[in-house]
Amino acid sequence: GEDVEQSLFLSVREGDSSVINCTYTDSSSTYLYWYKQEPGAGLQLLTYIFSNMDMKQDQRLTVLLNKKDKHLSLRIADTQTGDSAIYFCAEANAGNMLTFGGGTRLMVKP
Amino acid sequence: DADVTQTPRNRITKTGKRIMLECSQTKGHDRMYWYRQDPGLGLRLIYYSFDVKDINKGEISDGYSVSRQAQAKFSLSLESAIPNQTALYFCATSDGLAGGYYNEQFFGPGTRLTVL
Repeated sequence: GEDVEQSLFLSVREGDSSVINCTYTDSSSTYLYWYKQEPGAGLQLLTYIFSNMDMKQDQRLTVLLNKKDKHLSLRIADTQTGDSAIYFCAEANAGNMLTFGGGTRLMVKP
Repeated sequence: DADVTQTPRNRITKTGKRIMLECSQTKGHDRMYWYRQDPGLGLRLIYYSFDVKDINKGEISDGYSVSRQAQAKFSLSLESAIPNQTALYFCATSDGLAGGYYNEQFFGPGTRLTVL
């Protein structure tokens, strides 16, 4: 079955890098996503990576994918207080449906 | 204006009451979804619809029903609400015509439901 796991909390200081980790179990996953949820709002797509890629960089965001270990990470460089939110990883299965992890709450301290 | 809207945004109700949560979208997407969010459990899929005549159960459909009144509208009903249905509910849409398996979903702002 499908299972996506994330740690619940991460606390960093402003200006440091944040690394949020995710593990998944479905080896047939084609796309893997990172969504961001700010307080009182719905989820918004942050970035995604196709399963045949190892890395994707988009400004301050770097996504690393290790297919062998089924491990996905999101690195946020120069973390700002506005990055405080809950981050969800999600995998798309063969039926094109998303399975979400439990979310990691990122707290950025000034 | 928001592309995906949900009403109400907050609702407090009592055990046994019937509740309807509504979702509307202006994105022109065929696919619509209902999820519930509980702390630490992420989002779990309740029901989804790939077009007006298509309704499918998700992971946790027991105690819920849905209606796809039009391409733009997808409603979620709790026929007899119970306290463990207290949660944050999200509607989402996606474009069924997107190529391959790319399936970005666009989320509404959520409805916070409390069942006493």
